[in-house]
Amino acid sequence: RKEVEQDPGPFNVPEGATVAFNCTYSNSASQSFFWYRQDCRKEPKLLMSVYSSGNEDGRFTAQLNRASQYISLLIRDSKLSDSATYLCVVNGGDDMRFGAGTRLTVKP
Amino acid sequence: DAGVIQSPRHEVTEMGQEVTLRCKPISGHNSLFWYRQTMMRGLELLIYFNNNVPIDDSGMPEDRFSAKMPNASFSTLKIQPSEPRDSAVYFCASSYLNTGELFFGEGSRLTVL
Repeated sequence: RKEVEQDPGPFNVPEGATVAFNCTYSNSASQSFFWYRQDCRKEPKLLMSVYSSGNEDGRFTAQLNRASQYISLLIRDSKLSDSATYLCVVNGGDDMRFGAGTRLTVKP
Repeated sequence: DAGVIQSPRHEVTEMGQEVTLRCKPISGHNSLFWYRQTMMRGLELLIYFNNNVPIDDSGMPEDRFSAKMPNASFSTLKIQPSEPRDSAVYFCASSYLNTGELFFGEGSRLTVL
């Protein structure tokens, strides 16, 4: 079983839609969690951290459920520019494990 | 400020040749990570260093792969001999211990024929 698992998608949604991604992790001792965004043929970049109480950054909301060992990312009012691959990342101590990524395409 | 710098950006080589990928992390960062990305397997952690010391190399595919970090500002990932299945984008990333944010280089795209 992979340490971090994501639905690979692809998710194809119209502009303005709300879309949600989930990610599960196997290491119950994991300490911190993140969402990264990767554009085609580019390097991953930090989108947002995920806090225990949940956190919001504009149209993006991240949540953590430690009991069920999953994190989620919600994108509201999606824009064409949101098209990318979204990677969840789990820090189990010192190492950083990435999910395979969920590909999102927002269409006009 | 300079980000993580990787070289070469692209390399095409023939099976059996030695490949050396290089990385200069962000100054002041304590941790350095090497990842490999393919369509089939996604982003895989190969090895990471804390304060120039290799901590976990369990992700290194096999003995053909080796990584070194002789000082805080330089790391190499070597493949010898290379095989076609090594074709991938290799990313180097650095971070300051415990902050969590990884800063990636632009990657080295390797093609082994």
